[in-house]
Amino acid sequence: QVQLQQSGPGLVKPSQTLSLTCAISGDSVSSNSAAWHWIRQSPSRGLEWLGRTYYRSKWYNDYAISVKSRITINPDTSKNQFSLQLNSVTPEDTAVYYCAGTTRGWFDPWGQGTLVTVSS
Amino acid sequence: EIMMTQSPATLSVSPGERGTLSCRASQSVSSNLAWYQQKPGQAPRLLIYDASTRATGIPARFSGSGSGTDFTLTISSLQSEDFAVYYCQQYNNWPWTFGQGTKVEIK
Repeated sequence: QVQLQQSGPGLVKPSQTLSLTCAISGDSVSSNSAAWHWIRQSPSRGLEWLGRTYYRSKWYNDYAISVKSRITINPDTSKNQFSLQLNSVTPEDTAVYYCAGTTRGWFDPWGQGTLVTVSS
Repeated sequence: EIMMTQSPATLSVSPGERGTLSCRASQSVSSNLAWYQQKPGQAPRLLIYDASTRATGIPARFSGSGSGTDFTLTISSLQSEDFAVYYCQQYNNWPWTFGQGTKVEIK
């Protein structure tokens, strides 16, 4: 059974960088059949897919247009985890952030979620 | 980007009754549609994928149907633990997108 465990701060100051990590158990971040995603949820935006990383003989990333200039998702094969960095945050980035895995198009499993508040 | 529209926004149902939730895509997504259940303070939980296939461990009272642009999630006899918010998600076209959710509440 694949499980995802998120970690990272719940409070970030405006203009700074939001950083979260998602540790994978029961699968590999380097799996040739899985992809690893970040999704956020807020009252104003609902569930919003942010981006993914996956390995198919080499590493690939895809990002949502809405955050493409500010986002980086990196795999860490030594720790079997992946991370999210979102730069230059504003209060509009306040949301619950989830990591999730896919082998086809549906998201399963999900991490437990992290409420990140952007405030000074 | 494909827009997913769910209706109604809120569904009031008595325990034991049938609940029917709708999801409409702005263009065809074939059968590439999933349904999720979310309870307060929890992550979404996969219920249905490929429009009609129940995920592992999901009770038979949950069923999905539809293809193309119109989809339905039916809960045949609502139990107390089924009162939650339900989301649909398409994975036919990038970027994958979610509906805004239907809240199923106790009548």
